[in-house]
Amino acid sequence: QVTLKESGPGILQPSHTLSLTCSFSGFSLSTYGMGVSWIRQPSGKGLEWLASIWWNGNTYNNPSLKSRLTVSKDTSNNQAFLKVTSVDTADTATYYCAHTRPGYPYFDYWGQGVMVTVSS
Amino acid sequence: DTVLTQSPALAVSLGQRVTISCRASKSVSTYMHWYQQKSGQQPKLLIYSASNLESGVPSRFSGSGSGTDFTLTIDPVEADDIANYYCQQSNELPLTFGSGTKLEIK
Repeated sequence: QVTLKESGPGILQPSHTLSLTCSFSGFSLSTYGMGVSWIRQPSGKGLEWLASIWWNGNTYNNPSLKSRLTVSKDTSNNQAFLKVTSVDTADTATYYCAHTRPGYPYFDYWGQGVMVTVSS
Repeated sequence: DTVLTQSPALAVSLGQRVTISCRASKSVSTYMHWYQQKSGQQPKLLIYSASNLESGVPSRFSGSGSGTDFTLTIDPVEADDIANYYCQQSNELPLTFGSGTKLEIK
């Protein structure tokens, strides 16, 4: 059974770096074909794909966030990470991690999401 | 980027058939997927690659389309189907979602 759970700071100040952790079970990010993606959703709004990381270490970021995103993984501990630098109020959202099917990717298992507020 | 356009809202009577549309700004072949998101919950995969029903999803849900025009059909609609529905393309990066269709009951 695949499960994922996000964790993060809850609230942080503008210009700071947001660090999120996705802890998962039921699969390994060292297994061929496995991937984890990050998606966010401002309150009352739609979904935005942020980044994906794959079993082989390849990463893909949404260029709309320019170079502010970093994704990484710790296969030994079944975790994936997202860092967003220089946050501002527009980064306030619920952040989800999701197990991602390879090839032409889609998201078949989602975490419950973690709400992040950027405020001074 | 591939822009996906969805109608903002649809109202349907229980027991009836509803089709939710998604139009892509360029061809995405059949690399279109559909999600259901109920209030306060994470999205749930319903349909992948245009027409494949995800395991465990009721057969009331079906998907069709290719190229730029896609539909998600629910037949018959049940009260539990009140939710927002999102399409997502994976033909090219960045992966993009539609703005969502809110399904309401008449």
